[in-house]
Amino acid sequence: QVTLRESGPALVKPTQTLKLTCTLSGFSLTTDGMCVTWIRQPPGKALEWLALMDWEDHKYYNTSLRTRLTVSEDTSKNQVVLTMTNMDPADTGTYYCARVIAVAGTRYYYNGIDVWGQGTTVTVSS
Amino acid sequence: DIQMTQSPSSLSASVGDRVSITCQASQDIADYLNWYQQKPGKAPKLLIYGSSTLETGVPSRYSGRGSGTEFTFTISSLQPEDIATYYCQQCDNVPFTFGGGTKVELK
Repeated sequence: QVTLRESGPALVKPTQTLKLTCTLSGFSLTTDGMCVTWIRQPPGKALEWLALMDWEDHKYYNTSLRTRLTVSEDTSKNQVVLTMTNMDPADTGTYYCARVIAVAGTRYYYNGIDVWGQGTTVTVSS
Repeated sequence: DIQMTQSPSSLSASVGDRVSITCQASQDIADYLNWYQQKPGKAPKLLIYGSSTLETGVPSRYSGRGSGTEFTFTISSLQPEDIATYYCQQCDNVPFTFGGGTKVELK
């Protein structure tokens, strides 16, 4: 069974750095086509895509947030880590990690985001 | 980045009604369009990928169609358990982008 589970601090102060961990089960990011993506959702607002890391260690980021985001992998622990610097109250919300599968064709094509973690709520406040 | 414009932002309908939501992409994304359902306090759930392919286990009253820049999601006969917010998302290329969501309520 494929699952993802987010973990990290529930409360961070403005200007601090947020580190969230996504623990994968039932699949590995070292398998061809596997990708892990991060999405967030401010309270009462729409989903916002943040970042994606694929099986070849390629990393992609939200255009407007790219200077603050870093995604990395701890292969030995089957974990993916999202780091966001200079946190602001506007970054308050639920953060999800999820799986995406890329399928080979004339190029790689992404399928839907098919398995999501339960989400972790982050509040930015002093 | 590709912008996704979803409409309406909310709608109210009765049980048994046919409900449709549209999503417009700012550029051609072929059929790389997915639809998700999100209930309060829950993670989104993938319903449709590739514009029209139903995810395994998803009821057949849900459907999707479209290609290029115009897409439609339909619930053929609204059920009480369909009350949720629905999002479109393009996966033609990264950065992925989501529509603003459509909240479906019971009249």
